[in-house]
Amino acid sequence: KNQVEQSPQSLIILEGKNCTLQCNYTVSPFSNLRWYKQDTGRGPVSLTIMTFSENTKSNGRYTATLDADTKQSSLHITASQLSDSASYICVVSEESSASKIIFGSGTRLSIRP
Amino acid sequence: DAGITQSPRHKVTETGTPVTLRCHQTENHRYMYWYRQDPGHGLRLIHYSYGVKDTDKGEVSDGYSVSRSKTEDFLLTLESATSSQTSVYFCAISESRDTQYFGPGTRLTVL
Repeated sequence: KNQVEQSPQSLIILEGKNCTLQCNYTVSPFSNLRWYKQDTGRGPVSLTIMTFSENTKSNGRYTATLDADTKQSSLHITASQLSDSASYICVVSEESSASKIIFGSGTRLSIRP
Repeated sequence: DAGITQSPRHKVTETGTPVTLRCHQTENHRYMYWYRQDPGHGLRLIHYSYGVKDTDKGEVSDGYSVSRSKTEDFLLTLESATSSQTSVYFCAISESRDTQYFGPGTRLTVL
């Protein structure tokens, strides 16, 4: 069964610190991997998208990496800000399918002043 | 923000009543999706559409039906709501199989 597992489930860090969130997947055949940010009470918003041939993608202070061989991805947040408090969701798409989009359960990140 | 609206944003209803949620887009995207989000679960696909009158089931479609009579509107209907359908419902759109854009969500409570 295609799955996407994220760790940790929740994380608390101090403002200004860096952190790394993990995503492991078993989806095959692989099409792309995306990271979304979801603020409380809002819909998810795309941060990055990576295909098989890409191993890193940045969006401001967010940097995503992908190792397609080990089926692992990480999202690194640099110099965290209070506004980074949100859930971060890893999403993996199966090739050749508009509906085979597997969502992880997310990592709940809290930034403390 | 992508032009996606959902209505209503909040709804409380009783078990056994019919409920229809509406998703409206102004982006002319081909694909539209309905998901539900529950604590401890990732977003789960209910139904999706790949064009006007073209729809298909997702992994949690039981108890739900959809219709897409126009490119811009995708309706989700609960024929007879149950307490297990209490959830937050998100509509999403995409032009290809890449990035999806999500609506603001509808919080549905079935008593």
